Amino acid sequence: QVQLVQSGAEVKKPGASVKVSCKASGYTFTTYDINWVRQATGQGLEWMGWMTPNSGNTGYAQKFQGRVTMTRNTSISIAYMELSSLRSEDTAVYYCARPSRGSFDLWGRGTLVTVSS
Amino acid sequence: IVMTQTPLSSPVTLGQPASISCRSSQSLVHSDGNTYLSWLQQRPGQPPRLLIYKISNRFSGVPDRFSGSGAGTDFTLKISRVEAEDVGVYYCAQASQFPLTFGQGTKLEIK
Repeated sequence: QVQLVQSGAEVKKPGASVKVSCKASGYTFTTYDINWVRQATGQGLEWMGWMTPNSGNTGYAQKFQGRVTMTRNTSISIAYMELSSLRSEDTAVYYCARPSRGSFDLWGRGTLVTVSS
Repeated sequence: IVMTQTPLSSPVTLGQPASISCRSSQSLVHSDGNTYLSWLQQRPGQPPRLLIYKISNRFSGVPDRFSGSGAGTDFTLKISRVEAEDVGVYYCAQASQFPLTFGQGTKLEIK
């Protein structure tokens, strides 16, 4: 079954970092990029950046430059998104998504990250 | 590129049509000639799901009551006959230029 399986919910204190994982199965992990999109509660979708599993190349939205790092482990088909210097405004559901056909044809179920003191 | 959807809320009677508009602040025609405008549906408590890509192409498994149209900066998603399972939030998205951006979302609800 083609799917992206994400890690579980996290609770972090302001200033801390969080690392979310996204495991691909049912397709060749290195064939497609992985993008990350977040959604604050009751809000819209916000694109964070992309990572090419084959090369490890990345591209980040300017808003997250310097705070986000996207990596991968191709041997186990997992992509990671690490966000540092967390603040309350980073509380959101973080999705990994597979780009295809000029959009995103496969989404993980999301990982809730709560930033609270 | 700023994506602006109207309306933000759309109460519809079951079996009736629905229409959502999406306008981009710049042309979405990519240098390769394609227009990377897509529509996503997000049901309550679910991740987004791809409905339409490149303006008017229905993704696999999407019912044919969903259709997309438009060009340049103005795009429309139409549902010919709304069903109960169509309740949710609909987003337009552009991938013609980085950073990728989404519309604010349109909440479709049943009257």
